[in-house]
Formats: sequence, structure tokens, C-alpha cells
Amino acid sequence: ETGVTQTPRHLVMGMTNKKSLKCEQHLGHNAMYWYKQSAKKPLELMFVYNFKEQTENNSVPSRFSPECPNSSHLFLHLHTLQPEDSALYLCASSQPAGGFISDTQYFGPGTRLTVL
Amino acid sequence: SQKIEQNSEALNIQEGKTATLTCNYTNYSPAYLQWYRQDPGRGPVFLLLIRENEKEKRKERLKVTFDTTLKQSLFHITASQPADSATYLCALDTSYDKVIFGPGTSLSVIP
Repeated sequence: ETGVTQTPRHLVMGMTNKKSLKCEQHLGHNAMYWYKQSAKKPLELMFVYNFKEQTENNSVPSRFSPECPNSSHLFLHLHTLQPEDSALYLCASSQPAGGFISDTQYFGPGTRLTVL
Repeated sequence: SQKIEQNSEALNIQEGKTATLTCNYTNYSPAYLQWYRQDPGRGPVFLLLIRENEKEKRKERLKVTFDTTLKQSLFHITASQPADSATYLCALDTSYDKVIFGPGTSLSVIP
């Protein structure tokens, strides 16, 4: 195990539902990330939090809303999603060092999301 | 525009041979480059990081090279085993808090 857990592992939701994905890291890291991985496409960075402050929002639609209450927990709130949002959502953490915060990322197992 | 490419989408090699995967990039000047392994349905796992001032780095059967002139990294797995079968991703930094991942190469090691 990498020290990063994600729940739920699988989620099926309708377009009008509201749900949340949860990520927790037990590594003492200060940076956390949300990525989207669709079939046949590279990992897409969605959000970056460094010391609980959002430092990156990679032009993500507002139907995805992140929350980082502390350095160990990260949430992704979902509402009125579209079928094309179906993907594997991955959480990662890292420890800032040498002026960079994004090297050596530790990933969780992901949440497989299906939007009907 | 900025772009990362990894050689073939899929690579098949015989057990015991050396697998060589390629990562090419354009319009970046990364400070470092990373390689990750991803198994189906799981998150990527960090393997190696090489910095712009390093030419080569090794870890057990893995070797990474980084040529900033050619804008290319090579990832080698020597004495490959069926357990090495996975998708391998390269990633490079685009700013202090952001990395970009390549599309990955699916490696199959045939017994």
C-alpha cells in the first residue's frame, strides 16, 4: 500500500445526484492532488493543494468542487455530472522539497466513477 | 504547444531481454523527469526521478537516462520478467507545483 486511501473504490451515479469522493494520506505530506484518468487518455491534473491552499485549478468545470480541510484529507464534491465525466479519479500526495512540490507523488488506488 | 510522447502504445518483449521505453517532449524545460508504473485498475507507483543535471540513474534492474538536448528520456528494464508487465508513464514538471504525464506505454513480457 502507498499510504494513500480513497473511498469509495467504485461509484455509480445519475446526472442529478450529488456525491463526494474522499482521499486520506498517512504519509505526513503537505501537498495533495486530484487527477482524472479517462480511457486512452493521459492523466489529467485537476487540482493541487499545498498546505491546504489551492494552488492549481486546471480549468476544471464547476460541477467538480474540491475541499481540503487539512493536509491529510482531500475531498472532491460532485454534482450534476455528465456521462463524459466517467473515469478513474486518482488522489495523490507529495512532500514539497527543493522548491518543487510535485515530485515523487504517491497515488491512491482511485475511484472508478460511472455517470449514467 | 507543449507535448509529451511515449514511443509505442504497446511493447512486447521476450522474458530475459531488456525493455527500452522512450519519452520525448517538446516545448518544455523540465527540472526533472519521473517514471511511474501503473497496473490495471490501480494508481501509478513512483519508480525513479532524474534531474536535469543528471545523465543516468539506476535502481536495481531499472535504468533511466535523460538527454535535455534531445529532449528525451530512455527507461530500461534489464532481465525483464512477466511481473514487469504493466503500463509505464513518464512525467515532467511544468512549474513548481505541477507535473504533466505522458500517455504511457503498455509493456508485456512474454514467458
